[in-house]
Amino acid sequence: EPEVTQTPSHQVTQMGQEVILRCVPISNHLYFYWYRQILGQKVEFLVSFYNNEISEKSEIFDDQFSVERPDGSNFTLKIRSTKLEDSAMYFCASIGGAADTQYFGPGTRLTVL
Amino acid sequence: DAKTTQPPSMDCAEGRAANLPCNHSTISGNEYVYWYRQIHSQGPQYIIHGLKNNETNEMASLIITEDRKSSTLILPHATLRDTAVYYCIVRIVYNTDKLIFGTGTRLQVFP
Repeated sequence: EPEVTQTPSHQVTQMGQEVILRCVPISNHLYFYWYRQILGQKVEFLVSFYNNEISEKSEIFDDQFSVERPDGSNFTLKIRSTKLEDSAMYFCASIGGAADTQYFGPGTRLTVL
Repeated sequence: DAKTTQPPSMDCAEGRAANLPCNHSTISGNEYVYWYRQIHSQGPQYIIHGLKNNETNEMASLIITEDRKSSTLILPHATLRDTAVYYCIVRIVYNTDKLIFGTGTRLQVFP
């Protein structure tokens, strides 16, 4: 069964450093999402992406965040200058079309020291 | 904000049916009820969805009341691996918008 994959599974970084989280959505899916979950809290939407453009972003997704689909398979989330409060699980999701459902990757645990 | 209300936690004995309720009293006619679960800190896993008819798949059954203001997810024979947080989400059909997660129900299956 096709699945969304994410790398790395765990990323440790120093505050102020840039990180790139990578996702490979399900092949032929067209809509992509990033969510995050701070430990013990709800899963929160960050951004959605379609046709090489951001469709929607939340208040969390400020200028420190960016997304990119550099090729036909990868979908990345970049945090330019990490803060302690960026420590969280980051989940990528994709969907084939409007009648489909979102499928999530296993997540990347980001730890900012 | 999430448009659903779920009990924060439930217990279920292994092998018994787990019935997880969800209230969505403000659901619109064009909104489906979706259920996801999250095992430990893994990515949310899709379980089932429905509009107004009862639905069943290999994982679970979904019972939606006639007025569509509430629903119940049924895991017919719960196992220890079903221990997870279960999220009930309403979502407009034929829409690619984000999912809005609430706090869900933490289901603990015990031996």
